[in-house]
Amino acid sequence: GAVVSQHPSRVICKSGTSVKIECRSLDFQATTMFWYRQFPKQSLMLMATSNEGSKATYEQGVEKDKFLINHASLTLSTLTVTSAHPEDSSFYICSAARGFEETQYFGPGTRLLVL
Amino acid sequence: KNEVEQSPQNLTAQEGEFITINCSYSVGISALHWLQQHPGGGIVSLFMLSSGKKKHGRLIATINIQEKHSSLHITASHPRDSAVYICAVRRSGGSNYKLTFGKGTLLTVNP
Repeated sequence: GAVVSQHPSRVICKSGTSVKIECRSLDFQATTMFWYRQFPKQSLMLMATSNEGSKATYEQGVEKDKFLINHASLTLSTLTVTSAHPEDSSFYICSAARGFEETQYFGPGTRLLVL
Repeated sequence: KNEVEQSPQNLTAQEGEFITINCSYSVGISALHWLQQHPGGGIVSLFMLSSGKKKHGRLIATINIQEKHSSLHITASHPRDSAVYICAVRRSGGSNYKLTFGKGTLLTVNP
């Protein structure tokens, strides 16, 4: 159990377009979901934390108007990269946590390439 | 200085060798995680520790809270163990399970 999926797994888009990435907890209800970004050979960097039904909490330096997060249900969170630019090219990973345990369950990641 | 430091950064071993990856942290924590990231990018949670030692198959994780140090051991290593191993900590008093990550250790096990 505790499977997290992400869609799409890979996306290529043109500069200036918006891209939506979905994160789903398939077999459990996630009270909290996290969005991370990972540049090549770098560690994961937390972008934002979202709880179902409330606004996401963004980390310092992350533009909330550029990276829109919606956590509409206990099994789905979306990250929309608006007006994407080449420097937004990265590996985006989500994770989900259940209310009663500390373990985070990670999605397989989405590789974004902005041309 | 990073709050979570891992060593070594890179490790190459021959199949069958015993492997140790170290993690030191400088903040008070409520839990420490060991994660495995495969070349494709997917991350698997291996262990979550708050004290003592845990074992799962050929993997063993230990933590010394007083010394702020944890180790991940792999016995009888195999090429399929090749991956990046990441240490992450949850700070004491932190909310929402926020984790701070080390930079990872790239393990390559040669046949």
